[in-house]
Amino acid sequence: GDSVTQMEGPVTLSEEAFLTINCTYTATGYPSLFWYVQYPGEGLQLLLKATKADDKGSNKGFEATYRKETTSFHLEKGSVQVSDSAVYFCALSDPRNFNKFYFGSGTKLNVKP
Amino acid sequence: GAVVSQHPSRVICKSGTSVKIECRSLDFQATTMFWYRQFPKQSLMLMATSNEGSKATYEQGVEKDKFLINHASLTLSTLTVTSAHPEDSSFYICSARDTFNYRGTEAFFGQGTRLTVV
Repeated sequence: GDSVTQMEGPVTLSEEAFLTINCTYTATGYPSLFWYVQYPGEGLQLLLKATKADDKGSNKGFEATYRKETTSFHLEKGSVQVSDSAVYFCALSDPRNFNKFYFGSGTKLNVKP
Repeated sequence: GAVVSQHPSRVICKSGTSVKIECRSLDFQATTMFWYRQFPKQSLMLMATSNEGSKATYEQGVEKDKFLINHASLTLSTLTVTSAHPEDSSFYICSARDTFNYRGTEAFFGQGTRLTVV
C-alpha cells in the first residue's frame, strides 16, 4: 500500500544553516505530495505541496520538488531561522481513495541561535 | 484559506467516562472527513474516514465501538471516545477537504484535541 518514509530526527542546526529533510514515498497511483509543519501544541499547517511529477512546491523559503524517478520529495531551505523550529511531516494523498492522507513519522527540527 | 474548527482543544476526563470531540468545516462542505490519532513523538495515524450520512470506515485495528464517529451534516463530524481509559490519552486531529469547490488536493486540519484520561 501507499506509505511515506521520512528521515528520523531530531535535526539540530544553527541559524542560517542549510536544511534538508529527506522524504521518499511508495504509491501505486499518482499521489499528491505535501509537507506539513506542526508547531508545539498546535495542529498541522500546510507548508507546501506538489501535485504532479517535476512540480516544485515553495513557501516561506522552503521548497521541495516532486521526483517521480526517485519517488522523493525532499524538503530544503537555504537559511533556517529559530522560528522554523517545529516538527515537519511529509505526506501523500491518494486521489483514488477519498484523498486519504499517509504521513511520514515526522522530523523534529531544532534551530539554535 | 479554508478553516476547520475542532473542539475542545483540551479535555481531561475520568476513566470510564465518554468524551465527544467535534470537527467543523467553517466555510466549506465536506462529505468526507478524517480522524487521526497522534501519540507523543510519533506520526499521525489515520483512525477512520467519516462519511456524511453513512457509516464511517475504520482502519484496521481501530475499535468501532470504542471510537464512535458520526457525520450528520456536511459541516460536522464527531468522534466519541467511549469508556475512556488512560491508554486512550492522545492528540486527536481531524481533517477535511472542500468537496464541492475544488481547491486542489489540500486537506485542512483542525487544531487538534489533547485528551487526557485520569
